[in-house]
Amino acid sequence: GENVEQHPSTLSVQEGDSAVIKCTYSDSASNYFPWYKQELGKGPQLIIDIRSNVGEKKDQRIAVTLNKTAKHFSLHITETQPEDSAVYFCAAAPTGNQFYFGTGTSLTVIP
Amino acid sequence: DAGVIQSPRHEVTEMGQEVTLRCKPISGHDYLFWYRQTMMRGLELLIYFNNNVPIDDSGMPEDRFSAKMPNASFSTLKIQPSEPRDSAVYFCASSLVYRRTGQSTGELFFGEGSRLTVL
Repeated sequence: GENVEQHPSTLSVQEGDSAVIKCTYSDSASNYFPWYKQELGKGPQLIIDIRSNVGEKKDQRIAVTLNKTAKHFSLHITETQPEDSAVYFCAAAPTGNQFYFGTGTSLTVIP
Repeated sequence: DAGVIQSPRHEVTEMGQEVTLRCKPISGHDYLFWYRQTMMRGLELLIYFNNNVPIDDSGMPEDRFSAKMPNASFSTLKIQPSEPRDSAVYFCASSLVYRRTGQSTGELFFGEGSRLTVL
């Protein structure tokens, strides 16, 4: 099955700086890569996703890049704010129905 | 829409007791997923349903775990008997389907989870 690895497990940045979280996957059949944000006591919530036919997608301060050859994808958050503090999960989907999640990155934005 | 609704939010029980977790997916969503979250293993898929039918239960840890979806608006995850290592947060999620392909659209809508502690 698919194996998704995520780094780093924890990340602290100063407010206004950028944050980058990286994931690798093993199954070349994976074609959908979502990113979820989980706030304390809540369920994960989709913040951005990318499909295998594009290399980059941006939504305001958040961007995701995908390198299918190397089987890795990254989340970039620019101009970080305290409300960006949360746990972020990457995922890969070899089919449209099964999602394999990374182990999460706890992001702390220091005011 | 109220989103995915799970109950109970917190459950504390003793080893050997039966535990039943409940989920109401978003109306109109065809897929329902049960995940377990622990610090050590992260988010693990336990089972998922399509149109109330279990499609893949290969993630269910062992026979002590069972899940049902008697109708489109309700699902249960049962653990009998429970053990301390079952302590985790259990999430239910639902998703829509691409009508042309029948596959999930990709976005999972998670409930707020049920935190289970087995003493």
